[in-house]
Amino acid sequence: DAGVTQSPTHLIKTRGQQVTLRCSPKSGHDTVSWYQQALGQGPQFIFQYYEEEERQRGNFPDRFSGHQFPNYSSELNVNALLLGDSALYLCASSLTGENYEQYFGPGTRLTVT
Amino acid sequence: AQSVTQLDSQVPVFEEAPVELRCNYSSSVSVYLFWYVQYPNQGLQLLLKYLSGSTLVESINGFEAEFNKSQTSFHLRKPSVHISDTAEYFCAVSVVDSSYKLIFGSGTRLLVRP
Repeated sequence: DAGVTQSPTHLIKTRGQQVTLRCSPKSGHDTVSWYQQALGQGPQFIFQYYEEEERQRGNFPDRFSGHQFPNYSSELNVNALLLGDSALYLCASSLTGENYEQYFGPGTRLTVT
Repeated sequence: AQSVTQLDSQVPVFEEAPVELRCNYSSSVSVYLFWYVQYPNQGLQLLLKYLSGSTLVESINGFEAEFNKSQTSFHLRKPSVHISDTAEYFCAVSVVDSSYKLIFGSGTRLLVRP
């Protein structure tokens, strides 16, 4: 039973560029949440997708956007990258009705130079 | 709004000694409580959770946490730690709504020394 997978593992981008991160949920899960974990801090909720729509959003600017596909996989897009966007981006999947049980992927380490 | 406070950024302890990692939360609505563990260069793993019922919850690897509503705390304890317990531990709460988004504390690094 495959768990949550994320790609790529690491990514280096230049300030001002755009980036797309990908997530495949655990088998049977239909909800995907994205979190940003800056160095030395706890993860912060970016947004959650269910039925291909953004269900809830945290306190992040519009430069952060997402998408969920019919197979429940998801993408996180960040435009106009800033140095402060450097972080570990974590994807978590869950099953609607049991969204308190979130399973995390290994994350994508984004470095903005 | 909800918030989680982990007062100790790092807790050094000798192997086989007991340990307590402290967590306090603030919320005006019902929340669920969680402890997650993060090993170096890995994602988060759920250690244990409190949803309802008994205020003492246990994990399969010897950790336990007790929900104290009056003190709004959810401290994590282990009577005897191992070197392999060295990791970052995060306390989190989620509001009981449709998304159950997690709100994390800043983490406590448990450093187990031989």
